[in-house]
Amino acid sequence: NAGVMQNPRHLVRRRGQEARLRCSPMKGHSHVYWYRQLPEEGLKFMVYLQKENIIDESGMPKERFSAEFPKEGPSILRIQQVVRGDSAAYFCASSRRTGGDTEAFFGQGTRLTVV
Amino acid sequence: QQQVKQSPQSLIVQKGGIPIINCAYENTAFDYFPWYQQFPGKGPALLIAIRPDVSEKKEGRFTISFNKSAKQFSLHIMDSQPGDSATYFCAARRAGNQFYFGTGTSLTVIP
Repeated sequence: NAGVMQNPRHLVRRRGQEARLRCSPMKGHSHVYWYRQLPEEGLKFMVYLQKENIIDESGMPKERFSAEFPKEGPSILRIQQVVRGDSAAYFCASSRRTGGDTEAFFGQGTRLTVV
Repeated sequence: QQQVKQSPQSLIVQKGGIPIINCAYENTAFDYFPWYQQFPGKGPALLIAIRPDVSEKKEGRFTISFNKSAKQFSLHIMDSQPGDSATYFCAARRAGNQFYFGTGTSLTVIP
């Protein structure tokens, strides 16, 4: 049973380019969460999605950032016109459901570097 | 506004010591409190979790103590080892919502 898969593991983009980060949740998981982690900082919530729906995007910047979790395929976090301040580790987590003892499991992250 | 407050920011203990990491929350609707361990360059890994109807949970050398009335919970690591050196995050959530994380505690266990 593969865990949460994120790719690429490392991504380098020039300022102004687009970055696409992918997250394949664990088998049977229909809930996906994206978090951003800056060096020496904690995990900052960005967006919470269920299949084909955005549940909570309160942590995601209104401009340049978007996320989707289609019926088929991985969840995508898209950052348009990247700037140096977007450099961070982006982690995806998935869970089976939202109630009870709902464990969330993280992927290994995508480390984005904007040059 | 930080939904979950975590302390200390960093902690250094000798091998065999018992580091204690504390977290506090305000939202009484939270119903699940996990702890994650993160090594450099890796994603956070679920370590242990507790629900508010339980005051203590043990898994191996890791123990969560939960004080519902004080809205506080803590992680204790018994007989700590150098391999436990990592960053630890507490978190809280309520059903149907996101996970709120503490700011993390960097633990160093000295041989």
